[in-house]
Amino acid sequence: GAGVSQSPSNKVTEKGKDVELRCDPISGHTALYWYRQSLGQGLEFLIYFQGNSAPDKSGLPSDRFSAERTGGSVSTLTIQRTQQEDSAVYLCASSVSGGVDTDTQYFGPGTRLTVL
Amino acid sequence: AQSVTQPDIHITVSEGASLELRCNYSYGATPYLFWYVQSPGQGLQLLLKYFSGDTLVQGIKGFEAEFKRSQSSFNLRKPSVHWSDAAEYFCAVGRGSYIPTFGRGTSLIVHP
Repeated sequence: GAGVSQSPSNKVTEKGKDVELRCDPISGHTALYWYRQSLGQGLEFLIYFQGNSAPDKSGLPSDRFSAERTGGSVSTLTIQRTQQEDSAVYLCASSVSGGVDTDTQYFGPGTRLTVL
Repeated sequence: AQSVTQPDIHITVSEGASLELRCNYSYGATPYLFWYVQSPGQGLQLLLKYFSGDTLVQGIKGFEAEFKRSQSSFNLRKPSVHWSDAAEYFCAVGRGSYIPTFGRGTSLIVHP
């Protein structure tokens, strides 16, 4: 079956513009995660969605960042008034809910964001 | 709180040589442990995982890892490295905690 997909694969924007990044998780996966990976850095957790529960937003670096998940499937990460330090690869992952495989995450290819 | 340490930022090996990437974790109970690989420009791909049972876990691409509770380690090994193994490797720990913790990664460089 299809894996996690993300779009666009690359995004170049000007400082101060808003951007939207999209993630389509694996069908049937109720958990969805967003991470940020800056050059040479590990994964920085941003936000987590699980079913209909309120999302865990504890990793969002500022109020310029927000995310939503419609219908328990597709998710959009929005960055308002982008700054140069927002330049990074944004990774989305999904996992099943419940059972021993809960923590196994399946990652998308990422969106490379460049803020000029 | 759970944490993961990958002590080596970079590892350089010759093609055909053996490989061991280190991962140490801190967790209050027996954790679930994962190794992921990230090739340049790609997302992360799961190599293998440990939940319970046999402490030696076999994964894809000829990799294996051994869970050593006494050392709080989950090192990744491969007997003979191929040039295509050059990538970033991430260790992760979790257990129903819904947000697994990732290490900072180890970059593997393979010399011909």
